Amino acid sequence: NAGVTQTPKFQVLKTGQSMTLQCAQDMNHNSMYWYRQDPGMGLRLIYYSASEGTTDKGEVPNGYNVSRLNKREFSLRLESAAPSQTSVYFCASSEFRPVQGTNEKLFFGSGTQLSVL
Amino acid sequence: GESVGLHLPTLSVQEGDNSIINCAYSNSASDYFIWYKQESGKGPQFIIDIRSNMDKRQGQRVTVLLNKTVKHLSLQIAATQPGDSAVYFCAETGGGADGLTFGKGTHLIIQP
Repeated sequence: NAGVTQTPKFQVLKTGQSMTLQCAQDMNHNSMYWYRQDPGMGLRLIYYSASEGTTDKGEVPNGYNVSRLNKREFSLRLESAAPSQTSVYFCASSEFRPVQGTNEKLFFGSGTQLSVL
Repeated sequence: GESVGLHLPTLSVQEGDNSIINCAYSNSASDYFIWYKQESGKGPQFIIDIRSNMDKRQGQRVTVLLNKTVKHLSLQIAATQPGDSAVYFCAETGGGADGLTFGKGTHLIIQP
């Protein structure tokens, strides 16, 4: 089992360029998440998808869009990159059960280090 | 404990000693808590979790203590080893679909 796979691992963009970060999980999880991690700031939620076909904003959604392509894949798009989006991005998945409302632990990918110049 | 600003709190311990990392949370509705370990250049890795109907849970060399009265969570690592050097995050949730809310982390340094 690969778990959660993110691509690319590293990316350098110029201000105004666009790109898509890809994420796939092979654990048959319902829920998927995108976080960003900045020094001393912990992890902050950008967007999440509680189940296939749904997406919702997290704490810091501005400048990002997401697509839940199918149950396995959840992509994050930067339409016009800005230096403030320089960060490490993590995708995660979990077996969230919306009916029961009980959370389970998140499994994380290895991250994408993005620099916007 | 939790950090303020850009600098992570640091805990430095001698190899073989026990480590205690603390975390304060603010949401009294939180009912599920997790500790994660993050090594340099890697994603967070699950260590141990606890639900609000418990106040203590033990794993292999790790123990999590939950005090709901004062909204405090701690991670105890027994007989600390060099491989325990990492940043440790606490996380909490109240059962919503938006997953976990993370603390800012504590950097654990193991002295030989």
